[in-house]
Amino acid sequence: NAGVTQTPKFQVLKTGQSMTLQCAQDMNHNSMYWYRQDPGMGLRLIYYSASEGTTDKGEVPNGYNVSRLNKREFSLRLESAAPSQTSVYFCASSETPISTDTQYFGPGTRLTVL
Amino acid sequence: AQSVTQLGSHVSVSEGALVLLRCNYSSSVPPYLFWYVQYPNQGLQLLLKYTSAATLVKGINGFEAEFKKSETSFHLTKPSAHMSDAAEYFCAVRANTGGFKTIFGAGTRLFVKA
Repeated sequence: NAGVTQTPKFQVLKTGQSMTLQCAQDMNHNSMYWYRQDPGMGLRLIYYSASEGTTDKGEVPNGYNVSRLNKREFSLRLESAAPSQTSVYFCASSETPISTDTQYFGPGTRLTVL
Repeated sequence: AQSVTQLGSHVSVSEGALVLLRCNYSSSVPPYLFWYVQYPNQGLQLLLKYTSAATLVKGINGFEAEFKKSETSFHLTKPSAHMSDAAEYFCAVRANTGGFKTIFGAGTRLFVKA
């Protein structure tokens, strides 16, 4: 039982390049989330998927797109990377989207945009 | 609207001393409150959560937190610090009226001195 896995662990991009961050969970959870973590700012929600087949914007969605490929997988795409997107990205999942459910986090992807 | 303020970006204690990490929240509806821990180069892990049952919540690794509505606080404590407690700690709030947005504090890094 690996929990939440993310690939890649590290990535360096040049401004304007695109890339997709992959996330998968093996806990049969319905809800999945993408966050970014910046120094001194905690985590901010980019997009979430309450259940398979649905996605919605979070707090900071500009410059990102997501795909809920199936129940297990939730990818985050940067179409044209900008230096402001340098951050650590975390994927999380929870059994349901209700407020009391625990979110389980992956190990993160550290992205640098030059 | 909701917000979380963690007082002190860095806290240093001696091994065996009391750990006190402060969190104050603001919420227009009754909140659910969470404490997460993040070890270096890892994702966040839930320590404990308040979901409107008992106001004193016990979590993993000997941590506990008390919900004080009159003070809008949810401070995290541990009677005796251990070297392995050195990590970053995040307080978070979520509305109990539904919605998927979790608001995280900026984090407090705990240092434990031998």
